Amino acid sequence: QKEVEQDPGPLSVPEGAIVSLNCTYSNSAFQYFMWYRQYSRKGPELLMYTYSSGNKEDGRFTAQVDKSSKYISLFIRDSQPSDSATYLCAMTDDKIIFGKGTRLHILP
Amino acid sequence: DARVTQTPRHKVTEMGQEVTMRCQPILGHNTVFWYRQTMMQGLELLAYFRNRAPLDDSGMPKDRFSAEMPDATLATLKIQPSEPRDSAVYFCASGLVMDRELFFGEGSRLTVL
Repeated sequence: QKEVEQDPGPLSVPEGAIVSLNCTYSNSAFQYFMWYRQYSRKGPELLMYTYSSGNKEDGRFTAQVDKSSKYISLFIRDSQPSDSATYLCAMTDDKIIFGKGTRLHILP
Repeated sequence: DARVTQTPRHKVTEMGQEVTMRCQPILGHNTVFWYRQTMMQGLELLAYFRNRAPLDDSGMPKDRFSAEMPDATLATLKIQPSEPRDSAVYFCASGLVMDRELFFGEGSRLTVL
């Protein structure tokens, strides 16, 4: 079992829909949880990060962490075509481990 | 505009050849990571350094891969000999130990024939 599991998709949704992206993990030592966004042929860029359990909101994006279930989520409200990218979850207890990434397509 | 710089951006080589990839981290960053990205495996951690000291290279095939930081402005990843299964995009990323944000380079796309 990999330390971080993430459905690779692709996930296609119509513009304006709410998008839900998820990861599960096995290492209970992880304390920081992050979401990165990667556009085609570019390096990943940090979107949001949270410490321990709870929610964090930034504009149209909300990150949730449930440490008891070892489950993290990213919600995108009012999705836009410009949100089309690969979204990678990441987590760390010192080294930073990434999920495989979910390819998201927002259809105009 | 501070950024991580990776060279070469693209490399095509034949099996058995040596490949060296270089990374210039953002000035002042004390942590450097090397990742490899493929469709099948996603973004895999190969090695990482803090203050130029290697902390973990368990993700690297030890017999053919080596990673070093000869100074604070240069990190290198070497493959010798290269194999077709090494074909991937190799990313370098840097950050500060107290900050969880990693800044990635554009990647080095390696094709081994």
